[in-house]
Amino acid sequence: GAGVSQSPSNKVTEKGKDVELRCDPISGHTALYWYRQSLGQGLEFLIYFQGNSAPDKSGLPSDRFSAERTGGSVSTLTIQRTQQEDSAVYLCASSLNYNEQFFGPGTRLTVL
Amino acid sequence: EDQVTQSPEALRLQEGESSSLNCSYTVSGLRGLFWYRQDPGKGPEFLFTLYSAGEEKEKERLKATLTKKESFLHITAPKPEDSATYLCAGLWWRDDKIIFGKGTRLHILP
Repeated sequence: GAGVSQSPSNKVTEKGKDVELRCDPISGHTALYWYRQSLGQGLEFLIYFQGNSAPDKSGLPSDRFSAERTGGSVSTLTIQRTQQEDSAVYLCASSLNYNEQFFGPGTRLTVL
Repeated sequence: EDQVTQSPEALRLQEGESSSLNCSYTVSGLRGLFWYRQDPGKGPEFLFTLYSAGEEKEKERLKATLTKKESFLHITAPKPEDSATYLCAGLWWRDDKIIFGKGTRLHILP
């Protein structure tokens, strides 16, 4: 079956614009995670969904960041009024439980 | 705040030269300790999950172990294709956050 997919693979935007990043998890996976990886840094946890619910949103860097998940499947990470420090690779992962996460290829976001 | 610290940051080995990567973590309340491999331009690939001190898991040339305060990823007789960044991560009972270390960049020279 298909793995986790993310779109777009690359996104270049201007400072101040809004962007939407999409994640399609593996079918049947109830858990979905978003991470951010900056150059030379580890993965920064952003948010976790169990089904459509996000019990803990405290990892989101600011109120410009929001995420939603619908139908227990697709998730969208939205960044409003993008800033240059938002430039990074945004990774999505899904799993049946917290144990083994399957990662997508990521979306590389560049804010000019 | 829960933490995961990996060392060394980078490691260069000759092909066949065995070594170990270290991961120290916040001990209190650990629920699971994870190891992943990440190749350039790709998402991390799951390797192992460890749950309790004394546990060991193996896959090909890799063996992960867990003690009461740290985890090790042992690589035996590595090959150039083992070159990658190895990431350690922890999950604690108090919340759902998975905290990753910054990784160890491993380079195996032929």
